[in-house]
Amino acid sequence: GQNIDQPTEMTATEGAIVQINCTYQTSGFNGLFWYQQHAGEAPTFLSYNVLDGLEEKGRFSSFLSRSKGYSYLLLKELQMKDSASYLCAVNTDKLIFGTGTRLQVFP
Amino acid sequence: DVKVTQSSRYLVKRTGEKVFLECVQDMDHENMFWYRQDPGLGLRLIYFSYDVKMKEKGDIPEGYSVSREKKERFSLILESASTNQTSMYLCASSLLPESSGNTIYFGEGSWLTVV
Repeated sequence: GQNIDQPTEMTATEGAIVQINCTYQTSGFNGLFWYQQHAGEAPTFLSYNVLDGLEEKGRFSSFLSRSKGYSYLLLKELQMKDSASYLCAVNTDKLIFGTGTRLQVFP
Repeated sequence: DVKVTQSSRYLVKRTGEKVFLECVQDMDHENMFWYRQDPGLGLRLIYFSYDVKMKEKGDIPEGYSVSREKKERFSLILESASTNQTSMYLCASSLLPESSGNTIYFGEGSWLTVV
């Protein structure tokens, strides 16, 4: 079967660092996406990891370990506008999503 | 700019009605997808298509059908709407899975309420 796990909710303080984990068990793997989704809006692309390691893009970084079936999204210098749901999705012959992690950033 | 357009943002339909949700992409992408998103369940794949006139069932195809007569257009059809199909529907498109730098682009979403 296909399974992607993420924590349901997380909270953090403005200016802090937060790590959102994602573990997956899928038949097939082409890469792993992270998306951000604000309430009432469509998901927007954050990152796509194909190879193991850390990829950094400004305040956001994404890490992948294919052998462990594990990824994380790291958000630094948190801002209030980072309050959103973060979706992990594995690219097989189709795209399979986790249920998302709702992050609330407090002042 | 990349664009995936869903024809209707908000719809209210009656139980038993036939409902069409239209999606058009302007990026010449091979893949197109229909998802529904419900609280606590995340995005669940209903149907997807790799090419014109091609369709594959996703995880929850029951009660739905799709049509892809042209590469840029992928339609989701609810033959007889039921209240449990009240949801937010997202259309998406992408290049082939093995393409480097692949990403998936989403439409704005269609909020369907079945009464």
